[in-house]
Amino acid sequence: DAKTTQPNSMESNEEEPVHLPCNHSTISGTDYIHWYRQLPSQGPEYVIHGLTSNVNNRMASLAIAEDRKSSTLILHRATLRDAAVYYCILRDVGGNYGGSQGNLIFGKGTKLSVKP
Amino acid sequence: EAQVTQNPRYLITVTGKKLTVTCSQNMNHEYMSWYRQDPGLGLRQIYYSMNVEVTDKGDVPEGYKVSRKEKRNFPLILESPSPNQTSLYFCASSLRGSRQGRLDEQYFGPGTRLTVT
Repeated sequence: DAKTTQPNSMESNEEEPVHLPCNHSTISGTDYIHWYRQLPSQGPEYVIHGLTSNVNNRMASLAIAEDRKSSTLILHRATLRDAAVYYCILRDVGGNYGGSQGNLIFGKGTKLSVKP
Repeated sequence: EAQVTQNPRYLITVTGKKLTVTCSQNMNHEYMSWYRQDPGLGLRQIYYSMNVEVTDKGDVPEGYKVSRKEKRNFPLILESPSPNQTSLYFCASSLRGSRQGRLDEQYFGPGTRLTVT
């Protein structure tokens, strides 16, 4: 069963902010929200993760709704290099998610295109 | 530079010819894992290892073997490859193999594209 729902694709203009949404209406209290991205012809790459509070790092920001049923990955100024598939993944510290320990369960993700 | 390396990057082989895809990480990570990526199916975990000499099956282990004799290496072995194992393979590692390790970011290798004819 898919734990998260993301749009299949989004488009952005270079140097503009991008907001990538993720719905996770069945999230539990011990679920962390992780984001990975996969650039063309590369392996997935960690972007950010959070539990309840908004998080910032050098790559992006993560805004988490107060009820935690949705979150948004924010790229503040999209570049051509940010064109990738972005995956929103729930990770449960308290137990497994239908798979082995440490298993990242990737959905289909959102394919982000960035126009010059 | 911290990284996960895989070799070979590309491999074309024939049915039944044993092969090994190597994976090595230089970050002293406890946890290592293999995924395969197929169109329409996304990434699926094959095997994982919580630490040296500790391995276990992931979601799609049939037809694969692994070993973890050293912390840095986690080879994927296909004893008798078949065409349905044609796929893009990724090795990944993260710092801890414990339950708290689920919070650790995973580092992925560049991928190995395998074709079995």
